[in-house]
Amino acid sequence: EVQLVESGGVVVQPGGSLRLSCAASGFTFDDYAMHWVRQAPGKGLEWVSLISWDGGSTYYADSVKGRFTISRDNSKNSLYLQMNSLRAEDTALYYCAKDRVRSAYSYTFDYWGQGTLVTVSS
Amino acid sequence: QSALTQPASVSGSPGQSITISCTGTSSDVGSYNLVSWYQQHPGKAPKLMIYEGSKRPSGVSNRFSGSKSGNTASLTISGLQAEDEADYYCCSYAGSSPVVFGGGTKLTVL
Repeated sequence: EVQLVESGGVVVQPGGSLRLSCAASGFTFDDYAMHWVRQAPGKGLEWVSLISWDGGSTYYADSVKGRFTISRDNSKNSLYLQMNSLRAEDTALYYCAKDRVRSAYSYTFDYWGQGTLVTVSS
Repeated sequence: QSALTQPASVSGSPGQSITISCTGTSSDVGSYNLVSWYQQHPGKAPKLMIYEGSKRPSGVSNRFSGSKSGNTASLTISGLQAEDEADYYCCSYAGSSPVVFGGGTKLTVL
């Protein structure tokens, strides 16, 4: 059974930093690209970032480019999101999501975690 | 990259069919066969319902179907059931961006 478990969400001040983690199990982690998707309270889904199966390629939404860094440790079946220079508008539930296709980008998310809440507030 | 355009809400009675539209541009929906649809119940994570425009993952009811015409994708739910009441989001590959979601549609089963 595929499981994705996010952690690391807390209340942080504007301008602060935070690292989110996502522990994956139930599939061959290093065969799949992984994504972060966020959802502000009461709002819709927003794609944040993508990393290739080997960690060699990364992509970001314009809203987080230059502030967030996605990474993975395939030896630990873990995905990360380093978030710097946080703003109030980054407040959201952050989901990690698995790409549907092995060793390719389908830009389709077939499994999601339950999310971890990041609140940026003074 | 602008979000895809979905109606804010749709409604239908049990047993009826409804369609949710998702309008993009020639830079996303119109150019790629990579539209997906997600169902989200309150307090829950999204669930993949349709991928590549019209394909259903294993375990998803055949009451759910997807299609595309030009820059607009559509999700149709037939034989509406109370459990279908949820928020629905479309999503498309968008080239350099590279992923864009719709704003979401709240489905109410009357």
